[in-house]
Amino acid sequence: QVQLVQSGAEVKKPGASVKVSCKASGYTFSVYYLHWVRQAPGEGLEWMGRIIPASGDTLYAQRFQGRVTLTRDTSISTAYMELTTLRSDDTALYYCVLMTGPRTWGQGTLVTVSS
Amino acid sequence: DIVMTQTPLSLSVTPGQPASISCKSSQSLLHSDGKTYLYWYLQKPGQSPQVLIYEVSNRFSGVPDRFSGSGSGTDFKLNLSRVEAEDVGVYYCMHSIELPITFGQGTKLEIK
Repeated sequence: QVQLVQSGAEVKKPGASVKVSCKASGYTFSVYYLHWVRQAPGEGLEWMGRIIPASGDTLYAQRFQGRVTLTRDTSISTAYMELTTLRSDDTALYYCVLMTGPRTWGQGTLVTVSS
Repeated sequence: DIVMTQTPLSLSVTPGQPASISCKSSQSLLHSDGKTYLYWYLQKPGQSPQVLIYEVSNRFSGVPDRFSGSGSGTDFKLNLSRVEAEDVGVYYCMHSIELPITFGQGTKLEIK
């Protein structure tokens, strides 16, 4: 079955960077766009950006422009989300998501930013 | 950006009773391709969100038929014909007609 398996929880200091991975299985990786969504503790869902695995083309939400980079490695069916210059309000669960086709979410990666 | 507004923000329902959640978008979600890009998700406690309804009224694979979606343009509804204990969680509407994708604030469903 289709699965998106994300890397484990991270604890980072303010100003640092984090890179979260999302390994896809059960479908052809290049077929569906991959999105990233985050959820701060007790809060709602916020779209961050998307990558087209076939081409590597990306689009980011305005508020993350310049701080987020989405990449992928098609040879291992894995997508990555890197967020730089972390602040305490970046503490959140980060999800990779297939919005079409299998419409599957990863299990989420908790990123905690704390001094 | 398109603003998605859900009402109510919380709901307490007796098992077996119906429930309804409204979602209004600040712009029409009807695309020139004829599809309306409105979705409903449920996030059960401690889990990732899961899709219930796509393109207004299509139930995703495995979703019980007590869930139904309706609406058009800017006004949409999610209906549960008979609430069950397993339906607790937070319901979100979402659009994907353009980027950025945006979500409603969420509606928390509790069982009485």
